[in-house]
Amino acid sequence: EADIYQTPRYLVIGTGKKITLECSQTMGHDKMYWYQQDPGMELHLIHYSYGVNSTEKGDLSSESTVSRIRTEHFPLTLESARPSHTSQYLCASSEFQISDTQYFGPGTRLTVL
Amino acid sequence: AQSVAQPEDQVNVAEGNPLTVKCTYSVSGNPYLFWYVQYPNRGLQFLLKYITGDNLVKGSYGFEAEFNKSQTSFHLKKPSALVSDSALYFCAVRDMVSSASKIIFGSGTRLSIRP
Repeated sequence: EADIYQTPRYLVIGTGKKITLECSQTMGHDKMYWYQQDPGMELHLIHYSYGVNSTEKGDLSSESTVSRIRTEHFPLTLESARPSHTSQYLCASSEFQISDTQYFGPGTRLTVL
Repeated sequence: AQSVAQPEDQVNVAEGNPLTVKCTYSVSGNPYLFWYVQYPNRGLQFLLKYITGDNLVKGSYGFEAEFNKSQTSFHLKKPSALVSDSALYFCAVRDMVSSASKIIFGSGTRLSIRP
């Protein structure tokens, strides 16, 4: 089991609220990722980071933002949640190796009413 | 363009029978290939990967995958299916073109094992 944690696991929130999804890993991995996944569907990369102070947008446009102030921590923030943001958000990390095996957290299921 | 395809949305197998979940890929150069499994309300779990070497790769929970360069395939297999193998399976390939160091995931195959 990978040492990567996400909180909260489930969140139900009203439209317009600001939310932060937490992701932490204790493996010392340089690279971290955020994916968005509708239930039972494919994954879409929305943000990634190569290390501290490095953040990049992924393949799927997202209104969320991320920060990487510490190696182990990669939070995702939505300034104003909308029903279209309802989804599962998965965090992952990997070492800086050519094989790049990614290890995933348990996910946060977000519902915006 | 680099991509990975899982041609079956769903695979149904009786418990005890062998199972195969199909995956084909398209990459520039040598592929780095992965299989992940996702159980309900969970994140993805790494099963196995192919980097180089033997074409038959063994992974977790009795799964194995066969790399076939001529057919550009990386099918996931298990000799005898268990009901507990029922889950969503993702094939993935390392993106070797972009500088972003990403993994490209397939659309997923739902495996259902009936008792």
